[in-house]
Amino acid sequence: ILNVEQSPQSLHVQEGDSTNFTCSFPSSNFYALHWYRWETAKSPEALFVMTLNGDEKKKGRISATLNTKEGYSYLYIKGSQPEDSATYLCAFLQGGSEKLVFGKGTKLTVNP
Amino acid sequence: DGGITQSPKYLFRKEGQNVTLSCEQNLNHDAMYWYRQDPGQGLRLIYYSQIVNDFQKGDIAEGYSVSREKKESFPLTVTSAQKNPTAFYLCASSFSRLNTEAFFGQGTRLTVV
Repeated sequence: ILNVEQSPQSLHVQEGDSTNFTCSFPSSNFYALHWYRWETAKSPEALFVMTLNGDEKKKGRISATLNTKEGYSYLYIKGSQPEDSATYLCAFLQGGSEKLVFGKGTKLTVNP
Repeated sequence: DGGITQSPKYLFRKEGQNVTLSCEQNLNHDAMYWYRQDPGQGLRLIYYSQIVNDFQKGDIAEGYSVSREKKESFPLTVTSAQKNPTAFYLCASSFSRLNTEAFFGQGTRLTVV
């Protein structure tokens, strides 16, 4: 079973702080890396799907980078807002596989 | 509106009984997935299907069964052989190859009493 690690496990920040989390995955035979946001009582929603080494993607105040050679991705949130409070999941897809393997997530709480 | 629907939201089952969780999508997605979440764990793959009438075991398939008779539907049966069935179950769907996003249902919380 593939190992996808996310850190930190949880994070508390103040409104307006910028923050970032890490997703580590196997560096061999990479195909795709997904980021999802999962708010309480809702379904996980996709933020980014990244497929190329060096990819940088941005959606509003949230951005992500990808390093497939060393096997990590960073998710950044600039100027956190209370509505950013959620669990952020990354998921790894290896080449030749049809299985998306999830990390345990980083739970972000933004205090007003 | 297009989407993926799971029902019911909460389900209680007596020990020893089989129970079926529903998952329907109208997104015209070929692929569908069932995940399980337990406290402190990531989402773990139970079964997946890339095409109608075909499905594959995921990492924790023991005690579960699925069918894929229609493109829109991928029901999951939790059998009495599943030793620890109390959990939160999520269904997802996507276009065939996961270089695009997966869409998730809202989940079913199953409790065995």
